[in-house]
Amino acid sequence: AQSVTQPDIHITVSEGASLELRCNYSYGATPYLFWYVQSPGQGLQLLLKYFSGDTLVQGIKGFEAEFKRSQSSFNLRKPSVHWSDAAEYFCAVGDTGTASKLTFGTGTRLQVTL
Amino acid sequence: DAGVTQSPTHLIKTRGQQVTLRCSPKSGHDTVSWYQQALGQGPQFIFQYYEEEERQRGNFPDRFSGHQFPNYSSELNVNALLLGDSALYLCASSPGFSYEQYFGPGTRLTVT
Repeated sequence: AQSVTQPDIHITVSEGASLELRCNYSYGATPYLFWYVQSPGQGLQLLLKYFSGDTLVQGIKGFEAEFKRSQSSFNLRKPSVHWSDAAEYFCAVGDTGTASKLTFGTGTRLQVTL
Repeated sequence: DAGVTQSPTHLIKTRGQQVTLRCSPKSGHDTVSWYQQALGQGPQFIFQYYEEEERQRGNFPDRFSGHQFPNYSSELNVNALLLGDSALYLCASSPGFSYEQYFGPGTRLTVT
């Protein structure tokens, strides 16, 4: 079965600093990969997705992610963090089977200091 | 264009009781998935419905059941509630077999 690992439970960055959130996946073929963001008490919002093609994908809110097959990684980046980016970030992989199931990591909580 | 809506927002139940959660998918979407998100965890797949049939089920007991209606809305039912069922229940919708899923705000279930 597919799995996703987010090694960092909690990250703190200063406003204006760059950000990188790590995600590693376990999957045999080319995976479908996603990053979602969850603000407190809210549902999940899709930031970006990778299906195939260009390994650097752009998303909403200035986020980007790079798919690296050799490292089984799909790290999320942002060049300059804003205080409003403080939230929980989840990486997910599209799982195989009879349904379009998503398997999520345990999330990384981002704190932004002013 | 309304997104995915869920009701109720919050719910408090007692152990042993039964609960029904509701979900209306995003306009144009015909597939509904349900996820359970325990505190401090990522969402866990419960099941997915398409054309009123359960397409796939995650590792959840039979106490968890669902239904999809002809208008694509869906219900999640949980019987014989346990304390461990306390969680945020998320509904997601998508068109057909797309992995690109749109989530609702969730229903926070507390079992006492």
